[in-house]
Amino acid sequence: AQSVAQPEDQVNVAEGNPLTVKCTYSVSGNPYLFWYVQYPNRGLQFLLKYITGDNLVKGSYGFEAEFNKSQTSFHLKKPSALVSDSALYFCAVRGLYNNNDMRFGAGTRLTVKP
Amino acid sequence: DVKVTQSSRYLVKRTGEKVFLECVQDMDHENMFWYRQDPGLGLRLIYFSYDVKMKEKGDIPEGYSVSREKKERFSLILESASTNQTSMYLCASSLAHGQFFGPGTRLTVL
Repeated sequence: AQSVAQPEDQVNVAEGNPLTVKCTYSVSGNPYLFWYVQYPNRGLQFLLKYITGDNLVKGSYGFEAEFNKSQTSFHLKKPSALVSDSALYFCAVRGLYNNNDMRFGAGTRLTVKP
Repeated sequence: DVKVTQSSRYLVKRTGEKVFLECVQDMDHENMFWYRQDPGLGLRLIYFSYDVKMKEKGDIPEGYSVSREKKERFSLILESASTNQTSMYLCASSLAHGQFFGPGTRLTVL
């Protein structure tokens, strides 16, 4: 069965600095990988996904993520953080053929300070 | 854009009450899901449905049931609410890649 790990409960960065939110995964075969963001008292919003192709995936709001097969990682990055990026971020994985078994990480709370 | 709506944003119920959480999607998606979200645990799948009247248990189905009578609507039912079911409940739907989420229902059971 697939799983994801987000090793950091909390990430703090200063506005304007680059940010990284880490995610590692475990899945049989090729993975589908996703990042979602959740603002307070809201549902999850899709940020980006990796299905196949270029290892660097660009998504919404200036975020990008790098798929690294050898390290089984899919870290979320942004070159210059904004205070408005402060939110809860979830990484998710599912297997190639099973759309009904998506596994989410525990979430990482990103705080961007002015 | 896909829209997934949930009937209530906030709900307060008493122990033992029967609770209905409704979810509607407008994109003709076959797959629909119910998750609960708790701090430090991420999202845990309660039930999912891949077609009308079809349902499958997720990881934590105990204390819950579901109903899918129409393709666009997927209901989560707490037969007899308990305090440990206080949580944020998220509905999602999907067609192929990725899931689209509703705004969530924060349920408090007193």
